[in-house]
Amino acid sequence: EIVLTQSPATLSLSPGERATLSCRASESVSNYLAWYQQKPGQAPRLLIYDTSNRATGIPARFSGSGSGTDFTLTISSLEPEDFAFYFCQQRYSWWTFGQGTKVEIK
Amino acid sequence: EVQLVESGGGLVQPGRSLRLSCAASGFSLDKYGMHWVRQRPGRGLEWVSGITWNSGSIGYAGSVKGRFTISRDNTKNSLYLQMISLRAEDTALYYCVKDLEPAVGADVFDIWGRGTVVTVSS
Repeated sequence: EIVLTQSPATLSLSPGERATLSCRASESVSNYLAWYQQKPGQAPRLLIYDTSNRATGIPARFSGSGSGTDFTLTISSLEPEDFAFYFCQQRYSWWTFGQGTKVEIK
Repeated sequence: EVQLVESGGGLVQPGRSLRLSCAASGFSLDKYGMHWVRQRPGRGLEWVSGITWNSGSIGYAGSVKGRFTISRDNTKNSLYLQMISLRAEDTALYYCVKDLEPAVGADVFDIWGRGTVVTVSS
């Protein structure tokens, strides 16, 4: 099973700041890495798939990069609604998920 | 609006059965692969089971294989998960999830329901 490790567990930032979230795979997942956002009591929302493709309706401030085993989700300038939980997922070998990163207001 | 609504969760004793349902609206379920994903308390997300648009291919996580059965009724725009021989470790929030692309699919989970809670306890 491919294990995804996200860091940091919590990211404390202010609105307007840049957020950089990391996801590392235990083995190569090629570019088959997705990012999701989840807020309390809500369904997860697809942000990015296949490393860098933004899902429909996702603002341009969200971007993804990486390949192989190391991936990054960047939020260029945090909006109030971006403070949430983020998790990564690979689809290279079945589907597994990272433990998530909480982006909280500093 | 594209939406998935799960139902059927609840409190059940170990060894008993439960059937989860997922009602789709805003799109035709028959065109898409579908999945169940769960989140156990204090743990990350876990893929449970998936079924292709035409039911031609079905898969299960090792932890549920032989106990859970995924199915779909495209005439009712619904997805199901029959769970038998439930264990305490099956306690989780169960999400119904839609594939991004129709037919062959992209194996990307683009629409999630809000989930239904299953608690297995005596």
